[in-house]
Amino acid sequence: QKEVEQNSGPLSVPEGAIASLNCTYSDRGSQSFFWYRQYSGKSPELIMFIYSNGDKEDGRFTAQLNKASQYVSLLIRDSQPSDSATYLCAVFKAAGNKLTFGGGTRVLVKP
Amino acid sequence: DAGVIQSPRHEVTEMGQEVTLRCKPISGHNSLFWYRQTMMRGLELLIYFNNNVPIDDSGMPEDRFSAKMPNASFSTLKIQPSEPRDSAVYFCASSQNREKAFFGQGTRLTVV
Repeated sequence: QKEVEQNSGPLSVPEGAIASLNCTYSDRGSQSFFWYRQYSGKSPELIMFIYSNGDKEDGRFTAQLNKASQYVSLLIRDSQPSDSATYLCAVFKAAGNKLTFGGGTRVLVKP
Repeated sequence: DAGVIQSPRHEVTEMGQEVTLRCKPISGHNSLFWYRQTMMRGLELLIYFNNNVPIDDSGMPEDRFSAKMPNASFSTLKIQPSEPRDSAVYFCASSQNREKAFFGQGTRLTVV
């Protein structure tokens, strides 16, 4: 089992719709959780972080964390073509400061 | 703050040559990470440092790879000798106490 798992996609959504991305992790003691966006040929860019169970909203993005079920999700509301990118889930493990990434989900927003 | 700074941005080298990648983390950050990204394997953690000390190098693929962090503001990743399969984008990232990690622009390495 991979430490952090994501569906590779592509996730195709029409412009204006909600994109829903999921991520599961194996270490129950994991703490901080992050979502990065990576455009082709660019470096990962941090877009959301969440430390506690529940929802966290920032603009069109909402991160959801459920530690009991060991999953974290990202919702993108009113999706725009500029949201087309690969979204990477990252988790800080309980032991040490190891930051592990999932394989990423490619999102395509179609006008 | 200038963010995480990596150099060079691009490197083309011949098989067998030594390659050194450089990283300057964000000032005040106490953790530094080296990742390698390829289409096939995604973003792989090679090694990370806490307070300049290497903590986990289990991701380093072979003895040909080595990393150092002589002080809080500088780290290197060295490949000697380089091979074509080392071609990838190498990222450096830094963070403070398990909080947000920020990436450099990456070094695109091509070994021919």
